[in-house]
Amino acid sequence: ETGVTQSPTHLIKTRGQQVTLRCSSQSGHNTVSWYQQALGQGPQFIFQYYREEENGRGNFPPRFSGLQFPNYSSELNVNALELDDSALYLCASSLGSLRYGYTFGSGTRLTVV
Amino acid sequence: AQTVTQSQPEMSVQEAETVTLSCTYDTSESDYYLFWYKQPPSRQMILVIRQEAYKQQNATENRFSVNFQKAAKSFSLKISDSQLGDAAMYFCAYRSLNSGYALNFGKGTSLLVTP
Repeated sequence: ETGVTQSPTHLIKTRGQQVTLRCSSQSGHNTVSWYQQALGQGPQFIFQYYREEENGRGNFPPRFSGLQFPNYSSELNVNALELDDSALYLCASSLGSLRYGYTFGSGTRLTVV
Repeated sequence: AQTVTQSQPEMSVQEAETVTLSCTYDTSESDYYLFWYKQPPSRQMILVIRQEAYKQQNATENRFSVNFQKAAKSFSLKISDSQLGDAAMYFCAYRSLNSGYALNFGKGTSLLVTP
């Protein structure tokens, strides 16, 4: 198993800028989800992709968008960055069945200044 | 919407002792899964244990076991023979078909293990 890898590990951006975070899912996993984890909080669901289509979304504005590619990699894009977007962003992949948990990456720490 | 509550922000246990972390959840669904994840300083969420709601038998994984009380909507994690490496944030999570397969997490419990 290759696990889930995320890049970059840390990132500093200025308010108003745009950012792209990348994730390589575990081999064979057709479902990828992104979570935002603010300091001292549990992760919050942003959205989920299944076979390259978004099939679930949490309470996040449209400036949070994503893509999933045929090779299991995915991207999270955030436009018009705000200070409150500073958080750990976690990517997680799964086989898609309800019974499975997710395999998480180590996250990207985004700081917006 | 489903909510997951972890009422213990911090817990402490001595090495080799047993500790129980609490979790309650609110749902009207009958088919769902519950998870405990561990998040060490490395930040990666690691699956500790999983429980299917339709199973009455409590899940166990080596030193980790759960007490699943479906009627009470309670899902506690027991760690036996605690080790220094168990120190981490522990998150309880809920997943169901109606939540779009998303994991709903609690706010976490920070576990300190003392020698």
